[in-house]
Order: sequence, then C-alpha cells, then structure tokens
Amino acid sequence: EIVMTQSPATLSVSAGERATLSCRATQSVNSNLAWYQHKPGQAPRLLIYGASTRATGIPARFSGSGSGTEFTLTISSLQSEDFAVYYCQHYDNWPFFTFGQGTKLEI
Amino acid sequence: EVQLVQSGAEVKKSGESLRISCKCSGYNFIAYWIGWVRQMPGKGLEWIGIIYPADSDTRYSPSFQGQVTISVDKSITTAYLQWSSLEASDTAIYYCTRHSITVAGILDYWGQGSLVSVSS
Repeated sequence: EIVMTQSPATLSVSAGERATLSCRATQSVNSNLAWYQHKPGQAPRLLIYGASTRATGIPARFSGSGSGTEFTLTISSLQSEDFAVYYCQHYDNWPFFTFGQGTKLEI
Repeated sequence: EVQLVQSGAEVKKSGESLRISCKCSGYNFIAYWIGWVRQMPGKGLEWIGIIYPADSDTRYSPSFQGQVTISVDKSITTAYLQWSSLEASDTAIYYCTRHSITVAGILDYWGQGSLVSVSS
C-alpha cells in the first residue's frame, strides 16, 4: 500500500502570508495526486488534481506542484476562508486510494 | 446541479445493524463510481470503497473488506453503506463521494456527511 505523509501536521500563518504544504508518497504516484480542503462541519472540496491542475472554481492563489513522490500545495496571500485542514490523496493504482493524514492550517 | 444528500445522524449500540444512504441527483447516476470515506473523531480521511452503479461492481479497501457492505439502488439513484454488527470503533463521520468520470480517482463531489455514534 502506498502511504502518503503530509508535513507539517499544523502550520501557523497569518492572513496575507504564503503557505506551503508538503505531501510525500512512499513510492512514485506519477502525477496522480489530488488536494482537498476540509473545513469543520462541511464536506471536503477538491482543489487540485493531476498534481497541478486547479479544479473548477478554485482561486488562482491555490497552486500545486511536484511529481513522483514529492508534492507541494502553495497558497499565496492567505485569506481568512483558507484556514482549514488540507489533505493530499493519490489515485495512481486505481481503484485503491489513500489520503495523507492532513495538515491543519491555522492562524 | 450535482447533489449528494446523505441520511441523518445515527445513534446505535454495539452489535446493532445500520444502513446509511446517499441520494444522488443532477447527473447520470449509473455512469459514475460512488465511494465512501470515513473520518473518525479527530482523525483524517480514510477511503472505504467504491461501487459502479451500472453493474454494482464493488471494490473495498483491504482495511474495510468484510467490515462493511456498499450497495446501490439504481431505481432511486441512491448508494448505501451498511454494517451488520456495529462496534464502538465505527463511530465516525461517513462521507459519500462521486468519482470524476474524466480523471479516474479524483472525488469531485461529496455528500455533507453522516455522523454515526456507536456506544458499547
């Protein structure tokens, strides 16, 4: 099973700053990597797929990069509504998927 | 508009059975894989399994194989997740998800979640 490890577990930043979240896979997942945003009491929302493609309606301040085993989600100029938990998910060996444990982005 | 509307919160005792539902609308139900994801209290997301409504082809995460059953009723465009004998460790929020038809593996729509509380 491919294990996804996210770091850091918690990231404290201020509004207007830049946030960089990392996700590492135990083996190559090529570019088959997605990022989701999860706010308390809400359903998770797809942000990025294919490691770097923004989903429909996602603001340009969200960007993804990486391939193989190392991936990054960058949020430039954080807005108040961006504080949430972010999960990476690989889908390289469909139909089996795994999520990372999440990074909590807090003020 | 695509919508996945899940059944409400459940409070059960260990050993009881349960089926939660996910009513799907706004798209061709039989053409998209539907999946379920678990979030235990204070924990992250875990993939449970998926089903293809057209033929009920079902795949499970090894961690959940034999523990739950995923099914669909095409006539009412609804997916289900069920347990025959709940345990306290099944306490969690369960989300149903729709898998993208263009990029296999990404979860493009999610239900609002169903809270399941199991007491021992």
